[in-house]
Amino acid sequence: QQQVKQSPQSLIVQKGGIPIINCAYENTAFDYFPWYQQFPGKGPALLIAIRPDVSEKKEGRFTISFNKSAKQFSLHIMDSQPGDSATYFCAASPYTGTASKLTFGTGTRLQVTL
Amino acid sequence: DGGITQSPKYLFRKEGQNVTLSCEQNLNHDAMYWYRQDPGQGLRLIYYSQIVNDFQKGDIAEGYSVSREKKESFPLTVTSAQKNPTAFYLCASSQGRTTNEKLFFGSGTQLSVL
Repeated sequence: QQQVKQSPQSLIVQKGGIPIINCAYENTAFDYFPWYQQFPGKGPALLIAIRPDVSEKKEGRFTISFNKSAKQFSLHIMDSQPGDSATYFCAASPYTGTASKLTFGTGTRLQVTL
Repeated sequence: DGGITQSPKYLFRKEGQNVTLSCEQNLNHDAMYWYRQDPGQGLRLIYYSQIVNDFQKGDIAEGYSVSREKKESFPLTVTSAQKNPTAFYLCASSQGRTTNEKLFFGSGTQLSVL
């Protein structure tokens, strides 16, 4: 499976800041891009996902921006809160792929301070 | 409550010992997965099963074995052939009928070597 490169590895922001996590991919067959959120000692949970037919998707304070030509996508968290402190994983899979075809990024550990 | 139950939460393995991690789901999902999570490496697929009595190797299947005798259960055995078993193991499930599916994760098992 092709790699998904995620950065930064860790991120510290103050409450109310806007952390941005970036991911880049190589496989042009990828066309489903979910983000998973994982709290310590727990399993990941789907946060938000995007398909390449749109350049942006918002769900509450979470926004995915997608740049198909650059093969990059990013997660923005508006008005970040201490409760957002978690590890975030981007992922990608081809349209014809089941969940077994998901390739995960290496994760970003986010800490939101008071 | 519907979900995925993994047990035990913590497990210790001695040299040369096989250990089995339990995963049970009551979501009536067809597909189940095992992932390994190491710090800084994201989630890597070990095995997956899309139907009872059938399973496929993922990216890092060496040293692991699985069975799928019941729809609800997908145990993972870490054999003595797995030389570096210390990791956080995550079980997941999905409906298994469509592409771009949401993965539902359990809370994980932390395996350590004595």
